[in-house]
Amino acid sequence: ELKVEQNPLFLSMQEGKNYTIYCNYSTTSDRLYWYRQDPGKSLESLFVLLSNGAVKQEGRLMASLDTKARLSTLHITAAVHDLSATYFCAVTSYSGAGSYQLTFGKGTKLSVIP
Amino acid sequence: SAVISQKPSRDICQRGTSLTIQCQVDSQVTMMFWYRQQPGQSLTLIATANQGSEATYESGFVIDKFPISRPNLTFSTLTVSNMSPEDSSIYLCSVEGEPSAKQETQYFGPGTRLLVL
Repeated sequence: ELKVEQNPLFLSMQEGKNYTIYCNYSTTSDRLYWYRQDPGKSLESLFVLLSNGAVKQEGRLMASLDTKARLSTLHITAAVHDLSATYFCAVTSYSGAGSYQLTFGKGTKLSVIP
Repeated sequence: SAVISQKPSRDICQRGTSLTIQCQVDSQVTMMFWYRQQPGQSLTLIATANQGSEATYESGFVIDKFPISRPNLTFSTLTVSNMSPEDSSIYLCSVEGEPSAKQETQYFGPGTRLLVL
């Protein structure tokens, strides 16, 4: 059974600081996603990472993937209040029905304070 | 990309009743997924719905409790049957992007917020 662990689960950081969220998964997968969820809202896709060594950046967020270590990181640079949200990583696994499913981590609730 | 709408957006229901949630996509998709997000928790896959066949349920979810319909390639419904307060959650519909485009993500609807009293 695929397990996805994120840490930390809660993160309070000051504006302007840097920090990294970690996502470990237990079995081989060919796709890893990062999503953002604002309170009371649905999930917004941030990144799709496919291959070992993949790195993607969007604004103050950068995601990377190490498939050998089964580890992805989401790095936040110079945090601003607008980044306050819950961030989920999700990993694909394939079902016997020929489709894939996403297994989500528990999420990291990020609060950026002035 | 895919644009997904869900109805209702929220509801308050009495225990023992049933609620049907609708999911509409603006393009034809093969697979549709239904997730549950309990308060303050992560997302858990309930079932995968393929057009023209029975839905595939994940461990812990059964068809009698969560019947699903998938009448065509742009629409699906999830019914939460015989509700109890433990069913209070957000229910999200999701579709995968173009399968041949591996960079495509999986898209989520806005969710249906259900409170069972």
